[in-house]
Amino acid sequence: GAVVSQHPSWVICKSGTSVKIECRSLDFQATTMFWYRQFPKQSLMLMATSNEGSKATYEQGVEKDKFLINHASLTLSTLTVTSAHPEDSSFYICSAWTPLSSPLHFGNGTRLTVT
Amino acid sequence: AQSVAQPEDQVNVAEGNPLTVKCTYSVSGNPYLFWYVQYPNRGLQFLLKYITGDNLVKGSYGFEAEFNKSQTSFHLKKPSALVSDSALYFCAVADYKLSFGAGTTVTVRA
Repeated sequence: GAVVSQHPSWVICKSGTSVKIECRSLDFQATTMFWYRQFPKQSLMLMATSNEGSKATYEQGVEKDKFLINHASLTLSTLTVTSAHPEDSSFYICSAWTPLSSPLHFGNGTRLTVT
Repeated sequence: AQSVAQPEDQVNVAEGNPLTVKCTYSVSGNPYLFWYVQYPNRGLQFLLKYITGDNLVKGSYGFEAEFNKSQTSFHLKKPSALVSDSALYFCAVADYKLSFGAGTTVTVRA
């Protein structure tokens, strides 16, 4: 089946630094990738939708200057958390979609801890 | 706007007993419904989907779900639960992007 690889699986960084998370579709071309954030024991909150070659569409309340999303190719999207703060600590999950696929395929998530 | 609701935060069952996780939906058109399972510190794994066709949908790991249009429900079921089924379960509805329910934590005791 379709595989989405997310890297790193966990990262610890100091407050004020930036962290990049990669999401790759390994065996299919993803027209669209979605980035979610999940707080402990809570549901997934959609942060943004990225389409290859165009700017990401951010959900209301998500700071686009803090969470930079790049979708440079049909197999790679990146989320960069800039100037990270402890409140950015969370579980971030990407998913990939193509018109020929249903359902969405998810990465295994990245646990970000900002100290 | 589309949405799903999972009325139960937690479901506890004994191993070998039937398992049901409830989900109701609200959509303006035809519903595309999904169930996902999440294990600790992992992404989501697809279980099953309803797009059209038979109301009873069979999925992975022995799970099935019944689409009920009159009750706008899409409950997830498993006839005989296993301890390894203990996880967080999400119902979702989609037109283009998925909207998730709040999740239901399932605990199966030995």
